Amino acid sequence: DTEVTQTPKHLVMGMTNKKSLKCEQHMGHRAMYWYKQKAKKPPELMFVYSYEKLSINESVPSRFSPECPNSSLLNLHLHALQPEDSALYLCASSPMVGARTEAFFGQGTRLTVV
Amino acid sequence: KQEVTQIPAALSVPEGENLVLNCSFTDSAIYNLQWFRQDPGKGLTSLLLIQSSQREQTSGRLNASLDKSSGRSTLYIAASQPGDSATYLCAGIYGGSQGNLIFGKGTKLSVKP
Repeated sequence: DTEVTQTPKHLVMGMTNKKSLKCEQHMGHRAMYWYKQKAKKPPELMFVYSYEKLSINESVPSRFSPECPNSSLLNLHLHALQPEDSALYLCASSPMVGARTEAFFGQGTRLTVV
Repeated sequence: KQEVTQIPAALSVPEGENLVLNCSFTDSAIYNLQWFRQDPGKGLTSLLLIQSSQREQTSGRLNASLDKSSGRSTLYIAASQPGDSATYLCAGIYGGSQGNLIFGKGTKLSVKP
């Protein structure tokens, strides 16, 4: 099983709402990632978790708050977003943080902020 | 600065043709190069991973090569099919990067029946 599952698939939220994106993998991977992808652009790294600890935050605004409650789950909490935050949010995992491992991506959550 | 470039940005071919997608990278200290497929509005599907010690990998009709000295990777698709239509992304991983993938902008492939 090389599956990374993201929920929900689509999300529409107002600028005052609080919502969460969820990501789950059961491959025993110890590294998990959040990427943001705008239309016709490549994915851009937001956060990296290694062994459930945040190891990289790519200067992401505080209205995005990641959480890794256990080795299989990764959440992205959203609050007071702006319309320009509308994008495809991708979760990925790999066996470990490091350079020689394959990354697996989920199908993404299409987020629209109105 | 580590950059990954993909040319062309778009490619249209008739069904049955063999084709090559190109990926170039600026830093030869690359560890891995991974090829992905992305359908419109969907996530990324991993196609092939080439480690720096390898020169090529094959999976079905796909063959990917890696030449660190020239800073290039190619993805060869044999006997293309309409179902191959998608955007193909290559991504490099560098030492000390904590696993961050450096993506190219992708090549949008259209295979016409």
